[in-house]
Amino acid sequence: QKEVEQNSGPLSVPEGAIASLNCTYSDRGSQSFFWYRQYSGKSPELIMFIYSNGDKEDGRFTAQLNKASQYVSLLIRDSQPSDSATYLCAVFTVIQGGSEKLVFGKGTKLTVNP
Amino acid sequence: NAGVTQTPKFRILKIGQSMTLQCTQDMNHNYMYWYRQDPGMGLKLIYYSVGAGITDKGEVPNGYNVSRSTTEDFPLRLELAAPSQTSVYFCASSYSKVASEAFFGQGTRLTVV
Repeated sequence: QKEVEQNSGPLSVPEGAIASLNCTYSDRGSQSFFWYRQYSGKSPELIMFIYSNGDKEDGRFTAQLNKASQYVSLLIRDSQPSDSATYLCAVFTVIQGGSEKLVFGKGTKLTVNP
Repeated sequence: NAGVTQTPKFRILKIGQSMTLQCTQDMNHNYMYWYRQDPGMGLKLIYYSVGAGITDKGEVPNGYNVSRSTTEDFPLRLELAAPSQTSVYFCASSYSKVASEAFFGQGTRLTVV
């Protein structure tokens, strides 16, 4: 099982709709969870992080974490064409020897149609 | 604010050549990372460092080497370049491991021919 898995998509939603992006992770000891947005040809940029079970809201974005199910999601309300990008889920995970690293999923490509 | 600076932005190498990708951050971050991103794929961790003098392998370390002599710098060395190393390379840094933001450089697009 891969450490961090995302639906590769692509995901297409109409403008104004809610986009739902999902991510699962394998290590129950993981502590913190991140959503990055990456526009084509650009570097990733952080949208949100979450480390407690439940929801965290920031403007049009809501991150949801369920540690029991090892599941984290990102909801984008009132989707805009400018939200069209690849969304990367990242998890701080423990590896051999007790060190930690930031592990990324493959990303989900989102297209918001005007 | 410079943040994370990578050089060069683009490079074409011939098979068997070597090169060093430079990465510098001015945020006094302990953690630094090198990732590669192949077309249409996510980021794969090559090497990472938790502080000066400490480095460790990630998912795909073969064909690469790193060093971390200072907090600021984390160069990535490619020895005997191969076409399989054609990719976009990202350097990133973060202050701590919990609830921290990883800042990325602008990337280096490397082609090996």
